[in-house]
Amino acid sequence: GDSVTQMEGPVTLSEEAFLTINCTYTATGYPSLFWYVQYPGEGLQLLLKATKADDKGSNKGFEATYRKETTSFHLEKGSVQVSDSAVYFCALSLGSNYKLTFGKGTLLTVNP
Amino acid sequence: DSGVTQTPKHLITATGQRVTLRCSPRSGDLSVYWYQQSLDQGLQFLIQYYNGEERAKGNILERFSAQQFPDLHSELNLSSLELGDSALYFCASSGSLFGGGNTGELFFGEGSRLTVL
Repeated sequence: GDSVTQMEGPVTLSEEAFLTINCTYTATGYPSLFWYVQYPGEGLQLLLKATKADDKGSNKGFEATYRKETTSFHLEKGSVQVSDSAVYFCALSLGSNYKLTFGKGTLLTVNP
Repeated sequence: DSGVTQTPKHLITATGQRVTLRCSPRSGDLSVYWYQQSLDQGLQFLIQYYNGEERAKGNILERFSAQQFPDLHSELNLSSLELGDSALYFCASSGSLFGGGNTGELFFGEGSRLTVL
């Protein structure tokens, strides 16, 4: 079945450090790819998405590029802030029902 | 604020009991999804409804059931509860009638935390 694998962390960085969270997927078709973020005590919210190969999603300084050849969608940010501390989920969606399949999530803690 | 409302936020109950979790989707959203989040399993898709009809089923136990009502709100019923059912249950919605259709983005509520003792 369809699945998403992401580095589980936890990841601890200092403010202004570079962030990469790896995500790879397995899918029977041609999925859309997403990064969702969950701040403490809140529900998940969409961070960025990409719907076809070589698309780059970006938001709030975060970026991820849909790489079909490596089935990857790695999340990057050049300079993290304390406010970026959260759990990040990579996900895919395939088919008309838009059901999301999530990775296990990566806890990011950014220290001042 | 995502526009998705879940109640109750917290629920503590005993093994063998039955509970009902409620979800009000964003105004106009036709699809409702239920997810279970636990430390060991991560986020697991349970079930999806679209305009009152079951659309997709995931790893939902037979002890669990759901429905979507004509006003589009949804309920998730969990029965014969076990310790392992303790988790955060999320509802999400998508597919607005009011323009934009379905962009693939799901809008999540804040979750209902169930603790089974």
